[in-house]
Amino acid sequence: DGGITQSPKYLFRKEGQNVTLSCEQNLNHDAMYWYRQDPGQGLRLIYYSQIVNDFQKGDIAEGYSVSREKKESFPLTVTSAQKNPTAFYLCASISPQGHSEQYFGPGTRLTVT
Amino acid sequence: AQTVTQSQPEMSVQEAETVTLSCTYDTSENNYYLFWYKQPPSRQMILVIRQEAYKQQNATENRFSVNFQKAAKSFSLKISDSQLGDTAMYFCAFSSMDSNYQLIWGAGTKLIIKP
Repeated sequence: DGGITQSPKYLFRKEGQNVTLSCEQNLNHDAMYWYRQDPGQGLRLIYYSQIVNDFQKGDIAEGYSVSREKKESFPLTVTSAQKNPTAFYLCASISPQGHSEQYFGPGTRLTVT
Repeated sequence: AQTVTQSQPEMSVQEAETVTLSCTYDTSENNYYLFWYKQPPSRQMILVIRQEAYKQQNATENRFSVNFQKAAKSFSLKISDSQLGDTAMYFCAFSSMDSNYQLIWGAGTKLIIKP
């Protein structure tokens, strides 16, 4: 069964702590993306990676960091520098076969108190 | 910079009716892709339909079809014979090779299908 997995579905942290969100795909996709979604809004791009060991900042990268050591994995760390980290986080990947549609994981709801 | 605008924050129709969701976009590129994604209460983002800008024929997927007007930069989604399971947020999105296939998203339209 190919797809994208994100874990956990719900995550709770205290303010001032770093937290890492997992994203794994077995679709053999090269490019992966992290988005943030706030209530009633569309998605905003945090970071993306087109190839292993390379990644670029999106529109709202401040307070976040990523790594891409393996093709299958693209973890996102929400650091204590992120001023308003409570949000829904979605990971996606894109097929190299063209058409450019992105496939999404089920998302992680992060709550920081 | 590309932008995507969805002017209808919320719509509701009766089950079995037809509904059209609006989307306009702005770009200077000639080759690009347009998408409609559905996000039900589970929050899983699901691709509904895709349109390549170089194709004049409007895309169709079962009850879902688009009206793609390239000159007007308009990309509306028509849902025929609406069903209760169509209740969701619908997002219009734009992508192009020139922008590394980053998706540019509209703000979304909340669609409610009433029984």
